[in-house]
Amino acid sequence: SQQGEEDPQALSIQEGENATMNCSYKTSINNLQWYRQNSGRGLVHLILIRSNEREKHSGRLRVTLDTSKKSSSLLITASRAADTASYFCATDPGGTSYGKLTFGQGTILTVHP
Amino acid sequence: SAVISQKPSRDICQRGTSLTIQCQVDSQVTMMFWYRQQPGQSLTLIATANQGSEATYESGFVIDKFPISRPNLTFSTLTVSNMSPEDSSIYLCSGGDRGGYGYTFGSGTRLTVV
Repeated sequence: SQQGEEDPQALSIQEGENATMNCSYKTSINNLQWYRQNSGRGLVHLILIRSNEREKHSGRLRVTLDTSKKSSSLLITASRAADTASYFCATDPGGTSYGKLTFGQGTILTVHP
Repeated sequence: SAVISQKPSRDICQRGTSLTIQCQVDSQVTMMFWYRQQPGQSLTLIATANQGSEATYESGFVIDKFPISRPNLTFSTLTVSNMSPEDSSIYLCSGGDRGGYGYTFGSGTRLTVV
């Protein structure tokens, strides 16, 4: 079963606006990752944040992690129509289960031109 | 980062038959995994493909139904055996190494069982 919960389930915005997606998880983690999936195809890795990090930036992406609340957020600034996709968070427990990702339910982002 | 070629990209199969999905990585990776994504759902880990030994399956998945091979560090196959309509899903492989760089995914195989 999926331990991750994401909200909102769907988000519709205009081009140029910011999009924020949230992810919660239940168990301890080594790191948390965000992926994008276009139209049910393969996933593209966006960003990884380690459990000892609180914030990370990559281009227009900003990720925060609060391990005390077991939650993370992904902010996409100045969104573009090409950002339209499903976004998933995934937790990596580390240790002997390193790499065995547990995915959240995902957020469907629609950016209108 | 590595690039993974996955094939077939889609297939329509008769119930009771088997389908083998292949993933080829353009460089050696330590870890490879197989996931299932049921329609409109998130991804669920099926198993870890271990190089040169039997795969490690997650709860709810068994070797007889999903045999996996990984003969070397760049190639793996997943077979969906004795298929039923409930097996209709997208199947994805992923690969990567420790080090905190995330994982590369294949483009997925969209399987429809009729």
